[in-house]
Amino acid sequence: GDSVTQMEGPVTLSEEAFLTINCTYTATGYPSLFWYVQYPGEGLQLLLKATKADDKGSNKGFEATYRKETTSFHLEKGSVQVSDSAVYFCALSDPNYGQNFVFGPGTRLSVLP
Amino acid sequence: NAGVTQTPKFQVLKTGQSMTLQCAQDMNHNSMYWYRQDPGMGLRLIYYSASEGTTDKGEVPNGYNVSRLNKREFSLRLESAAPSQTSVYFCASSVPRNSNQPQHFGDGTRLSIL
Repeated sequence: GDSVTQMEGPVTLSEEAFLTINCTYTATGYPSLFWYVQYPGEGLQLLLKATKADDKGSNKGFEATYRKETTSFHLEKGSVQVSDSAVYFCALSDPNYGQNFVFGPGTRLSVLP
Repeated sequence: NAGVTQTPKFQVLKTGQSMTLQCAQDMNHNSMYWYRQDPGMGLRLIYYSASEGTTDKGEVPNGYNVSRLNKREFSLRLESAAPSQTSVYFCASSVPRNSNQPQHFGDGTRLSIL
């Protein structure tokens, strides 16, 4: 079945550092890819998405590019802030897959001032 | 502009007690979902409802029941709570199930079973 793999956390960075969180997927169909962010005590919020190969999703300084050849959707930000501290989930939506959404285990990011 | 609303936000139960988690959405979405979130395991789908009047099992349905009361509301019931059901429960909704639109989440219910 479909699956999403994320890099193990936690990730700890200093403010203004460069961020990369790796995400790779397996899918039977042609999925859409998403990054969600979860702040402490809150639900998941959509951060960005990409629906086809080579699409780049972006929001709030975060970017991720849909790479079909490497089945990857890595999240990047050039300069992180303390307010970016959260858990980040990579997810896919495969119309050919019964339950539609599959989430990765999440990566906790802590940004220190 | 509420989106997805879950009640209660916190609950403590004793083993064997029952309770119902409530979820309502005001976005006119057809599909609704219940997930549980456990440390290191991401979100696991318990049940979903592709449209009003239909429900289907997800990855971890044992010990749970659901009711799609109407288009807006989707409840999750624990008939006899067990410590293994201690978790954070999230409700989500989306436009038609087999589309590439994102799911929208509530803020969660934090449930502890003693």
